[in-house]
Amino acid sequence: KNQVEQSPQSLIILEGKNCTLQCNYTVSPFSNLRWYKQDTGRGPVSLTIMTFSENTKSNGRYTATLDADTKQSSLHITASQLSDSASYICVVSGTGTASKLTFGTGTRLQVTL
Amino acid sequence: DAGITQSPRYKITETGRQVTLMCHQTWSHSYMFWYRQDLGHGLRLIYYSAAADITDKGEVPDGYVVSRSKTENFPLTLESATRSQTSVYFCASSPKPIDYEQYFGPGTRLTVT
Repeated sequence: KNQVEQSPQSLIILEGKNCTLQCNYTVSPFSNLRWYKQDTGRGPVSLTIMTFSENTKSNGRYTATLDADTKQSSLHITASQLSDSASYICVVSGTGTASKLTFGTGTRLQVTL
Repeated sequence: DAGITQSPRYKITETGRQVTLMCHQTWSHSYMFWYRQDLGHGLRLIYYSAAADITDKGEVPDGYVVSRSKTENFPLTLESATRSQTSVYFCASSPKPIDYEQYFGPGTRLTVT
């Protein structure tokens, strides 16, 4: 069964600090992995999309990494801001008969003063 | 430039009532999707549409009906609402199939009493 597991479930950090969110998946065959940011009461917004051949992708202060061999991804947030407070969702897409999106349950990040 | 909108944003209804959630996109995207988001679950696909008059079931279609007579609209109907359908519903659209980037609406919070 295709699964996406994220850790930690929730995280509280001080403004200005860095953090790393983890995503492990079992989707196979693999097409791409994406990270979404979901603010409270709003729809998810895409941060990055990575294919099998990409192992790092940045979007401003957000840097995603992908290790397709170990089926792991991470999202690193640098110099966090209060506006980074949100849920971060890892989504994996398969190909062929696995051609669907599998969503993780998300990591809830709170950035405080 | 509204992008993708959903209405209503909040809805309370009684068990057994019919409810229709509306989704409208201004990008002329071919693909549209309906998801539900529940605590402890990642987003789950209810139905999707590849073009006007072409729809297909997702992971959790039971109790839902969709139609797509126009490219820009993709309404979701709960024919006889049940308490288990209390959820937040997200509509999304994409110019390409399911493994491409999707753009999400703001969501509709539905409560069935």
